[in-house]
Amino acid sequence: NAGVTQTPKFQVLKTGQSMTLQCAQDMNHEYMSWYRQDPGMGLRLIHYSVGAGITDQGEVPNGYNVSRSTTEDFPLRLLSAAPSQTSVYFCASSHTGRHTEAFFGQGTRLTVV
Amino acid sequence: KNQVEQSPQSLIILEGKNCTLQCNYTVSPFSNLRWYKQDTGRGPVSLTIMTFSENTKSNGRYTATLDADTKQSSLHITASQLSDSASYICVVSEWSGTASKLTFGTGTRLQVTL
Repeated sequence: NAGVTQTPKFQVLKTGQSMTLQCAQDMNHEYMSWYRQDPGMGLRLIHYSVGAGITDQGEVPNGYNVSRSTTEDFPLRLLSAAPSQTSVYFCASSHTGRHTEAFFGQGTRLTVV
Repeated sequence: KNQVEQSPQSLIILEGKNCTLQCNYTVSPFSNLRWYKQDTGRGPVSLTIMTFSENTKSNGRYTATLDADTKQSSLHITASQLSDSASYICVVSEWSGTASKLTFGTGTRLQVTL
């Protein structure tokens, strides 16, 4: 019962470095998304995908890229890390549909110094 | 701007006691309202999803209510346990026709003590 798997769990980057946060799901979900969670704020949507080959921007997309080459994987790339990207990142997946349940990964805590 | 507001921000209760968490929202058009439980260092886990026509929904000791007219929801926890210590997040969904757009509240942090 893997569900949504995120790697790594913790990461420290220097300003300007790039990296990829990995997300994989084994539930054959069409919809996948990335959120960031900051203190005192609700989760905010970064990017999402409704299927392989289809991605779109969310509320806070600047500084992040995504791609969806397979149904299972949805990596999030930080192009040039900035201290403002210090956050906890969550990947989520669900079937498409109006009232379907979203499943979240365990999160990646990223610190940019 | 669509918003979801939760109260209280934090709450401490004794084990075995009941508590009620509140959620007010201004999201429109409304599709459904969700409550999630988030343990420290973990991702949110779904407790309930309620549509416009549902007033009450239970999941074990968790009971959620929805008043779509006043745009209010509550989450009632009965006979609390130490394992209920977590953040509880209210989420309201809009439906675009292809995807649900979720607006998250900031959560209520519940601590259950002996």
